[in-house]
Amino acid sequence: DTEVTQTPKHLVMGMTNKKSLKCEQHMGHRAMYWYKQKAKKPPELMFVYSYEKLSINESVPSRFSPECPNSSLLNLHLHALQPEDSALYLCASSPRTAVDEQYFGPGTRLTVT
Amino acid sequence: GENVEQHPSTLSVQEGDSAVIKCTYSDSASNYFPWYKQELGKRPQLIIDIRSNVGEKKDQRIAVTLNKTAKHFSLHITETQPEDSAVYFCAASITGTASKLTFGTGTRLQVML
Repeated sequence: DTEVTQTPKHLVMGMTNKKSLKCEQHMGHRAMYWYKQKAKKPPELMFVYSYEKLSINESVPSRFSPECPNSSLLNLHLHALQPEDSALYLCASSPRTAVDEQYFGPGTRLTVT
Repeated sequence: GENVEQHPSTLSVQEGDSAVIKCTYSDSASNYFPWYKQELGKRPQLIIDIRSNVGEKKDQRIAVTLNKTAKHFSLHITETQPEDSAVYFCAASITGTASKLTFGTGTRLQVML
């Protein structure tokens, strides 16, 4: 398996909802990433997990909570989001670090109403 | 932190012509430079990358050049085809436990028939 998969593809949630985004890879990669991408902008790094430990948090608001249950899975828990959080959320993985080839999943299109 | 500038923001070429996209980076310690292609509604796809110990790398119609002294790198696409139409992002990264990709602002390439 040479792909990063993400579920769901689309998500609409209200500002009081709690939801989770899921990401999975079976390439044996030990670094996993969450990015946020707004229209016509580059991906914006949110979190980096290295060997299942959080190594970078780019000052992301606490309404976004990452979790790495094992080396293949990455979750992003969402709670009390704002409409401006609507975006494409991309997961990525790389063999060890960000100086290895990084592969992106298809993303979850999130709309906060 | 690292800052990556990318030019031009939009580029239109005739089918069969060449396209060149240029990026500059600020941190001389950066040593990994990938290029991503993102079609509308799709994930960013790694198309080519170069490391700081190499000056040029080629893969069929795509090539990347790196000038470490000037701190700039470029993507060259020859014999452009309509399927090359997409947004292209350059990025830079530094080896280290907290390494992360810093993206350029993107170039929208349109190949006209």
